[in-house]
Amino acid sequence: SQQGEEDPQALSIQEGENATMNCSYKTSINNLQWYRQNSGRGLVHLILIRSNEREKHSGRLRVTLDTSKKSSSLLITASRAADTASYFCATDASVDTGRRALTFGSGTRLQVQP
Amino acid sequence: IAGITQAPTSQILAAGRRMTLRCTQDMRHNAMYWYRQDLGLGLRLIHYSNTAGTTGKGEVPDGYSVSRANTDDFPLTLASAVPSQTSVYFCATSRSSANTGELFFGEGSRLTVL
Repeated sequence: SQQGEEDPQALSIQEGENATMNCSYKTSINNLQWYRQNSGRGLVHLILIRSNEREKHSGRLRVTLDTSKKSSSLLITASRAADTASYFCATDASVDTGRRALTFGSGTRLQVQP
Repeated sequence: IAGITQAPTSQILAAGRRMTLRCTQDMRHNAMYWYRQDLGLGLRLIHYSNTAGTTGKGEVPDGYSVSRANTDDFPLTLASAVPSQTSVYFCATSRSSANTGELFFGEGSRLTVL
């Protein structure tokens, strides 16, 4: 079963609006990461937040982490048409599984209308 | 340009045939991974290698094998392909094997098994 589940599965907004995507996970984690995937391409790393951090910023991206609720959110501010992509959360649960690899969620498809 | 090279980019294969997907990196990263991506299921880990000479099983290892004879190469072999192995396969690397940091992805190999 998937460790991370994103919500919503799909999101359509207008350019300039903010986009919020949520991720829930099941086990203890070392860190949580967000990735972006353009259609037909490989995934690209966006941001990593460690289990002892609550919030992190990178440009127009803001990530929060609530380990008590086992959830994270990715906020993209002032969205652009070029932000159209699928976004995935991924967790490093090696503290529980012993497997040093990321487990990915099923992703949120974001469509930004110009 | 440094990065990850996957080959072939696309392949149609008859069921029962043997197939090896190649992955080569020139970043001297210790850890390498194979994921498959299916619609609605996100990415699932097949096999991984934290360092040359070692490999481990992921979530969905059955029907696949890997080897890691050196740092740069991590081939994935389907001994006898079945239609359920139709998927897009992504190779990824990570600098450190001590903890799971940022992953770097190849552009994927699209495999269709008929």
